[in-house]
Amino acid sequence: DAKTTQPNSMESNEEEPVHLPCNHSTISGTDYIHWYRQLPSQGPEYVIHGLTSNVNNRMASLAIAEDRKSSTLILHRATLRDAAVYYCIPVVGSGNTGKLIFGQGTTLQVKP
Amino acid sequence: DTGVSQDPRHKITKRGQNVTFRCDPISEHNRLYWYRQTLGQGPEFLTYFQNEAQLEKSRLLSDRFSAERPKGSFSTLEIQRTEQGDSAMYLCASSYPWEGGEQYFGPGTRLTVT
Repeated sequence: DAKTTQPNSMESNEEEPVHLPCNHSTISGTDYIHWYRQLPSQGPEYVIHGLTSNVNNRMASLAIAEDRKSSTLILHRATLRDAAVYYCIPVVGSGNTGKLIFGQGTTLQVKP
Repeated sequence: DTGVSQDPRHKITKRGQNVTFRCDPISEHNRLYWYRQTLGQGPEFLTYFQNEAQLEKSRLLSDRFSAERPKGSFSTLEIQRTEQGDSAMYLCASSYPWEGGEQYFGPGTRLTVT
């Protein structure tokens, strides 16, 4: 399984953009890069995923480095509701179960 | 669709008792996963079903743990002879079977073993 490295914690001000980095230098060519977040006392919530190209959805954007050894989750305007633990998870592609191997994640604090 | 549901949300039991948890996935999803999360840690994978077949089990799943998905819809996770170390949040997730598909999680069942 590919290893990931994320900062333990980050802070942001409300309504400002947030860039959450993740290093996954051992990722294989067919691994997808998934991001999930977990709000206090809730189950994890899917945020976004990608393979090679940058991706956008209503929640966030995902920027994937050209060598795929790192990625950045971008929250365009942080709100208080975005305070959560964010997990970057490589997911094996073809022929696999799709199980998620969670690391420690990044705890994001959003200040009003 | 109301998403993945789990029952009960909280369970307090005495050491040595058996407990059973239920998970109802999103109806179109044929993949179902169980995870366990202890305080301050990320969730850990326990087991995976595709339809009714249990295709992978983690080494974390000791022989006191058993999971079923008899008709490929809901799933149950049973823990026999509970121990204090079993205290955790038990999370269920479901997904479509395609590559890289995202998982949708339920709210979890919080187990406390006294």
